[in-house]
Amino acid sequence: NAGVTQTPKFQVLKTGQSMTLQCAQDMNHEYMSWYRQDPGMGLRLIHYSVGAGITDQGEVPNGYNVSRSTTEDFPLRLLSAAPSQTSVYFCASSQGQDQFFGPGTRLTVL
Amino acid sequence: DQQVKQNSPSLSVQEGRISILNCDYTNSMFDYFLWYKKYPAEGPTFLISISSIKDKNEDGRFTVFLNKSAKHLSLHIVPSQPGDSAVYFCAASGSTGTYKYIFGTGTRLKVLA
Repeated sequence: NAGVTQTPKFQVLKTGQSMTLQCAQDMNHEYMSWYRQDPGMGLRLIHYSVGAGITDQGEVPNGYNVSRSTTEDFPLRLLSAAPSQTSVYFCASSQGQDQFFGPGTRLTVL
Repeated sequence: DQQVKQNSPSLSVQEGRISILNCDYTNSMFDYFLWYKKYPAEGPTFLISISSIKDKNEDGRFTVFLNKSAKHLSLHIVPSQPGDSAVYFCAASGSTGTYKYIFGTGTRLKVLA
């Protein structure tokens, strides 16, 4: 099993550009989520999904969209990037209470 | 408003001694708590968890204690090893099955050889 994979590992965007952060898991987990990690802030939940076709907002959803068309994939879209979205993004999946995280995507918005 | 707090940003411990990492929470609806370990440039790794119906859970060198009345949990690592040097996050969720986790800000543990 590859576990949770994320692409790209690094990305630099200009303000106003759009992009999609990819996340995939091969553990057949129903639950997937996106977090961002900022210095001194811990991990904050952006969006989550309890199964294909079902998504909901977390603590900091503004500026991000998600969709869940399959169990395996949970992409995170930034429609118009802003410098405040500079962060490290982690995707996670779980079947029970214990989450498994991907290696992260470091995003810089200039 | 920080619902899960880790008030010690860093902690240094001698190899072989006990490491105690603390976490406080404010929301009495939280009923499941987890600890994660994170190395630089990697995603967090699940370490140990505890349900609110228990006050202690042990897994090898790692023990988590939960004091519901004080809204406090702690992670004990005995004996500490240099490979334990990492950032440790505690997390909490309310209403079993909601899967909405609130994380603390982390404590950086350094185990000195």
